[in-house]
Amino acid sequence: EDQVTQSPEALRLQEGESSSLNCSYTVSGLRGLFWYRQDPGKGPEFLFTLYSAGEEKEKERLKATLTKKESFLHITAPKPEDSATYLCAMPYRGSEKLVFGKGMKLTVNP
Amino acid sequence: EPEVTQTPSHQVTQMGQEVILRCVPISNHLYFYWYRQILGQKVEFLVSFYNNEISEKSEIFDDQFSVERPDGSNFTLKIRSTKLEDSAMYFCASSIDRANEQFFGPGTRLTVL
Repeated sequence: EDQVTQSPEALRLQEGESSSLNCSYTVSGLRGLFWYRQDPGKGPEFLFTLYSAGEEKEKERLKATLTKKESFLHITAPKPEDSATYLCAMPYRGSEKLVFGKGMKLTVNP
Repeated sequence: EPEVTQTPSHQVTQMGQEVILRCVPISNHLYFYWYRQILGQKVEFLVSFYNNEISEKSEIFDDQFSVERPDGSNFTLKIRSTKLEDSAMYFCASSIDRANEQFFGPGTRLTVL
């Protein structure tokens, strides 16, 4: 069955301490991998789409990369305002349905 | 920047009552979705809607649920007889194409007492 697994489940960083979040997937026929940010009590906010292995996307302090089995969200010199839950998701087989991972709660301390 | 909007932000209802959650998708988008997130759990797909009909639905989306696009802008989710386990955040989303990223609204928190 197609699955999306995120690790770690939670991560605490000091401001300026760079790190990476992992999203591994098992799916036949990748049709895109999406990263979202979710603040408490809010809807997922779209960050990136990656379609093929080797692709990279950047936005401010975030960079997303994709291999054939996993995606990484690299956070460079994070700030407290980067604190949120980061979700990865992908379409389920041939459908529009997105399958989400459990998310990774990032806390950045000043 | 265009965004998906949802009303109300919070709905409290008694078990067995009907609720209607409302959404205005992004105007040039063609695909519409409802997801839900029970507190502390994953975001789960409920239903997708295209060309005025349901294109896909999950096992959760049983006969108690229905969706409608009553006019050119609104997209609604109706739960006919709410249960305690329907308490969750409900998110509407839309996309311009089925293969593209989906943009989510801020959610409606449904509390069933």
